[in-house]
Amino acid sequence: NAGVTQTPKFRILKIGQSMTLQCTQDMNHNYMYWYRQDPGMGLKLIYYSVGAGITDKGEVPNGYNVSRSTTEDFPLRLELAAPSQTSVYFCASRRSRVAYNEQFFGPGTRLTVL
Amino acid sequence: DQQVKQNSPSLSVQEGRISILNCDYTNSMFDYFLWYKKYPAEGPTFLISISSIKDKNEDGRFTVFLNKSAKHLSLHIVPSQPGDSAVYFCAAPLGNDMRFGAGTRLTVKP
Repeated sequence: NAGVTQTPKFRILKIGQSMTLQCTQDMNHNYMYWYRQDPGMGLKLIYYSVGAGITDKGEVPNGYNVSRSTTEDFPLRLELAAPSQTSVYFCASRRSRVAYNEQFFGPGTRLTVL
Repeated sequence: DQQVKQNSPSLSVQEGRISILNCDYTNSMFDYFLWYKKYPAEGPTFLISISSIKDKNEDGRFTVFLNKSAKHLSLHIVPSQPGDSAVYFCAAPLGNDMRFGAGTRLTVKP
């Protein structure tokens, strides 16, 4: 049981490049999330999904896209990288939205856009 | 709109003493709160939680207190150990989302 895995761990992009951050969970959780964490700030929600085929925007969705074709995978796409997207990205999953169901996080992807 | 606030970015305590981490919230709709712990280069991991119908929840060295009238909760760690050095996030579920505070970096000195 690997939990939530993310790849890559680190990436440097040039302005205007694109990339996909991968996220996989093996806990059969319905809910999956993408957060970004900037220095000194809390986690901000980018996108989330409540099940395969269903996604919705979070607090800071601009510049990102997601898809959820399977329960296990929830990739995050950056189409035209900008310096403002330099951040640490965390994927998380959760069994349901019931309050006592905590989120399980991946180890994060540190992205730098130059 | 930061609905969950942790106003102390850092805290340093001596090994064996008590660590108290604070969290304030503004949204009266929150009815459950969680604390997460984060080590460098790792994702946050769940530590302890509390429902709004309680004012205290204890798990070993960790106790969370909730004061609903003040919209304030605190995490007590007794006794503090060097392995507790990490960033601690306060969080509250809201619909499909989880709202996080900015975190407090705890350093426990041997």
